[in-house]
Amino acid sequence: GAVVSQHPSRVICKSGTSVKIECRSLDFQATTMFWYRQFPKKSLMLMATSNEGSKATYEQGVEKDKFLINHASLTLSTLTVTSAHPEDSSFYICSARGGREGQPQHFGDGTRLSIL
Amino acid sequence: AQKITQTQPGMFVQEKEAVTLDCTYDTSDQSYGLFWYKQPSSGEMIFLIYQGSYDEQNATEGRYSLNFQKARKSANLVISASQLGDSAMYFCAIPSTDSWGKLQFGAGTQVVVTP
Repeated sequence: GAVVSQHPSRVICKSGTSVKIECRSLDFQATTMFWYRQFPKKSLMLMATSNEGSKATYEQGVEKDKFLINHASLTLSTLTVTSAHPEDSSFYICSARGGREGQPQHFGDGTRLSIL
Repeated sequence: AQKITQTQPGMFVQEKEAVTLDCTYDTSDQSYGLFWYKQPSSGEMIFLIYQGSYDEQNATEGRYSLNFQKARKSANLVISASQLGDSAMYFCAIPSTDSWGKLQFGAGTQVVVTP
């Protein structure tokens, strides 16, 4: 069964709307979660590292004011796309992993965001 | 910085045949790992197999196996006895130097299995 749950799976909304995406680790605690973005037919690009109880670490070129990340508990990280515009349309996917080296990342099922 | 390369954008393979997906990497780390993930058209990322750089044997997991050649910095995925359900994008990934959790993905290879 899924170990990382991501919700919603699909969002279609108007330009200017803010959209919140949730990522939950179901049967383990995740002090760190990761948010990726994927354009059609392209690879996953890491956007940011979500740290429980502290600020997220953003990759170069990612606007932190556009993509707000909150990691308020050991099982939940949220990504909010603020004032979304059509260019923010993409597939967003989160991941978390166990603590030991060699343990794989477990991914959520992703969120397909379409901004009209 | 880590670099990971998948040179095959797409491949067709007949059902029941084996297919090899290429992956080469560049890293300055002495200890590292390599992951392979499968992404069907529905979008979820499915973990397939892991190879540690110090593992002496090639990793195997059911129909998936890794042809790990450390000196050549390659970690090719072999899928044996292909099934129609194997049609998907396949990504090779390597953890970042500063955080094992941060994965850098290759460009991916689209596999289409035909009857």
